[in-house]
Amino acid sequence: EPEVTQTPSHQVTQMGQEVILRCVPISNHLYFYWYRQILGQKVEFLVSFYNNEISEKSEIFDDQFSVERPDGSNFTLKIRSTKLEDSAMYFCALHGGPYEAFFGQGTRLTVV
Amino acid sequence: DAKTTQPTSMDCAEGRAANLPCNHSTISGNEYVYWYRQIHSQGPQYIIHGLKNNETNEMASLIITEDRKSSTLILPHATLRDTAVYYCIVGGSGSRLTFGEGTQLTVNP
Repeated sequence: EPEVTQTPSHQVTQMGQEVILRCVPISNHLYFYWYRQILGQKVEFLVSFYNNEISEKSEIFDDQFSVERPDGSNFTLKIRSTKLEDSAMYFCALHGGPYEAFFGQGTRLTVV
Repeated sequence: DAKTTQPTSMDCAEGRAANLPCNHSTISGNEYVYWYRQIHSQGPQYIIHGLKNNETNEMASLIITEDRKSSTLILPHATLRDTAVYYCIVGGSGSRLTFGEGTQLTVNP
């Protein structure tokens, strides 16, 4: 089973600040996903990333969000100007095969 | 993606089989049934998937009805560590996952 490491595990930031959440897959993968889960709510899809390009994004993923794979291994989610409502658990996931997705343990983002 | 319907919560005694139902009456021919679970606020964990045939792996069994409009996830010998929210998701292969509310399974000693 592929391992997915997310850093930091918990991030506290002030409203309006930029945050970068990181995902490090242990093995080489092409398909990456970001999901988020606001406390007490459903897990929501944000964006999928294939071969260094966004392949699909949800309506949540607006202009304040961006994703990239800066060095070919780390996979990052950037929120440019955080809002209170961005407070959530953010999960990175990758597909180990055509069917199963493997999720990291998440980054808890708290915007104050 | 087809919509799924699951009970909000279920209880199971430790050591007994847990049978979690899911309705997906609008599933299309090329869509798979996936099951994931989430323990507390950890990342969702893949359990099993199927298309038409029943499937079994080291974690669970998946029973899909012949018309594919419903399925049942079976944990044969539930333990306390199986207490989690279980999600039934329908979708294509390799596609994004659309999570619903899931079923909160509580395994009691």
